[in-house]
Amino acid sequence: DAGVIQSPRHEVTEMGQEVTLRCKPISGHDYLFWYRQTMMRGLELLIYFNNNVPIDDSGMPEDRFSAKMPNASFSTLKIQPSEPRDSAVYFCASSFSGSHFYEQYFGPGTRLTVT
Amino acid sequence: AQSVTQLDSHVSVSEGTPVLLRCNYSSSYSPSLFWYVQHPNKGLQLLLKYTSAATLVKGINGFEAEFKKSETSFHLTKPSAHMSDAAEYFCVVSVPNAGKSTFGDGTTLTVKP
Repeated sequence: DAGVIQSPRHEVTEMGQEVTLRCKPISGHDYLFWYRQTMMRGLELLIYFNNNVPIDDSGMPEDRFSAKMPNASFSTLKIQPSEPRDSAVYFCASSFSGSHFYEQYFGPGTRLTVT
Repeated sequence: AQSVTQLDSHVSVSEGTPVLLRCNYSSSYSPSLFWYVQHPNKGLQLLLKYTSAATLVKGINGFEAEFKKSETSFHLTKPSAHMSDAAEYFCVVSVPNAGKSTFGDGTTLTVKP
């Protein structure tokens, strides 16, 4: 398997622009997670899905952030409008409930810079 | 409820000396425990996992961890550090059959030549 795939790997945008981050989980995995990592705040869970349904979005910082999972093989995280404080590395991870242990497999991340 | 505490935010060792990264956990149920490693500018990689089959767990790159229920600990060790071990390490706890895991704040391991 190719692992979790994220695109783009790097994104530079100007404040106020819309940003869309994409994730393809490992085939057969039924959980998908979005994380944000910064030096100041460390690794934060933003939202996670089970069988394409959002389960917990309490980590989403504000209404500017939204996430969707239209099918089992694709998810997006959208920021609109973007702000400089959104600059971070965003990770997507997936896991399989059938493994019982729920280990998560991470993608390589998207480094977002908002100027 | 579950929580995890990594007792050291930074650990520095010399190449060839042992590594010890400490992790304590709290869980209302029998937990699953994991260690992840993150090299600079990379994603998180699963290093090893405890799943109740054995208390001493061996992972990749010579790392191992011992589950001690009485001490609620899951410390990560390696007999001899290599320069390539320099990275950030995360201890993670999850409850079996639950979706979400709880990550520790991470320990940065520095390896001196």
